[in-house]
Amino acid sequence: SQELEQSPQSLIVQEGKNLTINCTSSKTLYGLYWYKQKYGEGLIFLMMLQKGGEEKSHEKITAKLDEKKQQSSLHITASQPSHAGIYLCGADVLRTSGGGADGLTFGKGTHLIIQP
Amino acid sequence: EPEVTQTPSHQVTQMGQEVILRCVPISNHLYFYWYRQILGQKVEFLVSFYNNEISEKSEIFDDQFSVERPDGSNFTLKIRSTKLEDSAMYFCASRPWVAKNIQYFGAGTRLSVL
Repeated sequence: SQELEQSPQSLIVQEGKNLTINCTSSKTLYGLYWYKQKYGEGLIFLMMLQKGGEEKSHEKITAKLDEKKQQSSLHITASQPSHAGIYLCGADVLRTSGGGADGLTFGKGTHLIIQP
Repeated sequence: EPEVTQTPSHQVTQMGQEVILRCVPISNHLYFYWYRQILGQKVEFLVSFYNNEISEKSEIFDDQFSVERPDGSNFTLKIRSTKLEDSAMYFCASRPWVAKNIQYFGAGTRLSVL
């Protein structure tokens, strides 16, 4: 089965500092999804990456997928209190039936705390 | 902005009781999912549903679980006889008919089995 390892498990960063979260897969990633979860709440979609070397940005968050499509990083520039939460990477599971309704496999998440 | 709605937000039940968790997916979405997250653990896929039938299910989704789309708007997860280990946050998700598997999640139902 496909496993996703996230690092670090938790991160405390001073407001205004930059940070990076990593997600490493045991297998080639066919679709990599970054979500944010506030404590006790649902998952909010951030970005999706599919192609090797792809990079996407939204506001101060940038996500990259490496050329080999086995590792992704999420970079936050000039962190703010609103960035605090749990960041999850998710991946498409390998298709067995060829159907379009695939469940996502998630990593354990990175807990991000922003210190004022 | 359209969102996935889940009710109730918190459900408390006795072991052995049946529970039904309800979800209203985003209206033009065609694929529906249930996930669970046991406290402190990963979000785990349970089941996907398309065209009024189960598309895929995980090992977790055994005979105690069932899903249904009873009408054009609701999507439900039933646990027939709850166990203590079913205590978890249950998330519903949905996505439209597009190639990318971007799923939109509800806020979740916290199930506590006593």
